[in-house]
Amino acid sequence: NAGVMQNPRHLVRRRGQEARLRCSPMKGHSHVYWYRQLPEEGLKFMVYLQKENIIDESGMPKERFSAEFPKEGPSILRIQQVVRGDSAAYFCASSPGESSYNEQFFGPGTRLTVL
Amino acid sequence: AQSVTQLDSQVPVFEEAPVELRCNYSSSVSVYLFWYVQYPNQGLQLLLKYLSGSTLVESINGFEAEFNKSQTSFHLRKPSVHISDTAEYFCAVSSGGYNKLIFGAGTRLAVHP
Repeated sequence: NAGVMQNPRHLVRRRGQEARLRCSPMKGHSHVYWYRQLPEEGLKFMVYLQKENIIDESGMPKERFSAEFPKEGPSILRIQQVVRGDSAAYFCASSPGESSYNEQFFGPGTRLTVL
Repeated sequence: AQSVTQLDSQVPVFEEAPVELRCNYSSSVSVYLFWYVQYPNQGLQLLLKYLSGSTLVESINGFEAEFNKSQTSFHLRKPSVHISDTAEYFCAVSSGGYNKLIFGAGTRLAVHP
């Protein structure tokens, strides 16, 4: 059973471009979480999705950021018109259920660098 | 609102010495507590968790943590560390509902020979 897959592992964008980060959850997992880790900081929750539904996006910046988890295919975190402050590691986690009793399994992360 | 405080940003220690990484949380409701480890350029791995029951929880590689409700703490300890334990350690909390984790800022453990 493959773990959580994220791609690309490293992404370089110039200011104003779009960044698209992908996350394939573990097989059988229908719950996906996105977290952002700024340099020298802990992870900050961004958004929680189930298949075709955004359950909680309270950690997402109000502009430029969006997330989806379609019925088929990976979850996508999309950042439009990137700025230098978006440079961070973005981690995806998946779990088989929504309860806190279900462990979250983390992917290796995508490190976004905005030039 | 929930929050997690990890009191030490860096902890240097010699190999085979004991170590304690401190974690305090604030929450007005029942919580679930976690410790994750992050090796360089990798994702997070669950080290151990407290959900209910015994307040002392152990991992397979010698770490243990004790949930102390009165002190709102969940400190991580290991009696004898190895070079391979060098990593960043994150304490996290979630409370009921769905499994949204609130992380501390992390503690960088550096084990020296």
